[in-house]
Amino acid sequence: AQSVTQPDIHITVSEGASLELRCNYSYGATPYLFWYVQSPGQGLQLLLKYFSGDTLVQGIKGFEAEFKRSQSSFNLRKPSVHWSDAAEYFCAVFSGGSNYKLTFGKGTLLTVNP
Amino acid sequence: KAGVTQTPRYLIKTRGQQVTLSCSPISGHRSVSWYQQTPGQGLQFLFEYFSETQRNKGNFPGRFSGRQFSNSRSEMNVSTLELGDSALYLCASSRPGQGKGGYTFGSGTRLTVV
Repeated sequence: AQSVTQPDIHITVSEGASLELRCNYSYGATPYLFWYVQSPGQGLQLLLKYFSGDTLVQGIKGFEAEFKRSQSSFNLRKPSVHWSDAAEYFCAVFSGGSNYKLTFGKGTLLTVNP
Repeated sequence: KAGVTQTPRYLIKTRGQQVTLSCSPISGHRSVSWYQQTPGQGLQFLFEYFSETQRNKGNFPGRFSGRQFSNSRSEMNVSTLELGDSALYLCASSRPGQGKGGYTFGSGTRLTVV
């Protein structure tokens, strides 16, 4: 069965610092991978997605993620964090066929210090 | 373009009651999925509908049910509510051919069971 692990429950960074959020997945076939962001009390917003091709994908709000098949990882990065990036971030893997769904990691809460 | 609309936004119910939540997908989106989000369990898949047919169901008791109408609007129902059903219920929709996790989420319905 597919699974997603986000090792960091909570990360604190200073505004302007770089950011990397880790995500490891387990899936038997070629994965379709996603990063979503959730602000308090809100739904999920899609940041970026990887289906195939270039392993470095660009998303909204200046985020990017790199797919590394050998490490089963899909880490999210941003070169300079803004205070408005404070939110919870979720990595997810899609499974199709008879098990059509997204499987999410537990999330990483990002705090940004001024 | 209107997003995914979930109603109501907030709901307080008593143990033993039943509740119905509604989701209107983006126009043209025919796939609707439901997720339950709790602090302890994170985001868990409930079910997914496409063209009025349930294609997949998560590991939830039979008290949780759903349906989709011909206009793609979806409802989910929880009968005999328990305290543990308190959660944020998120609905997501996608267009045909973009079902590989390219979902747009609503803002959710916050259900509190007392």
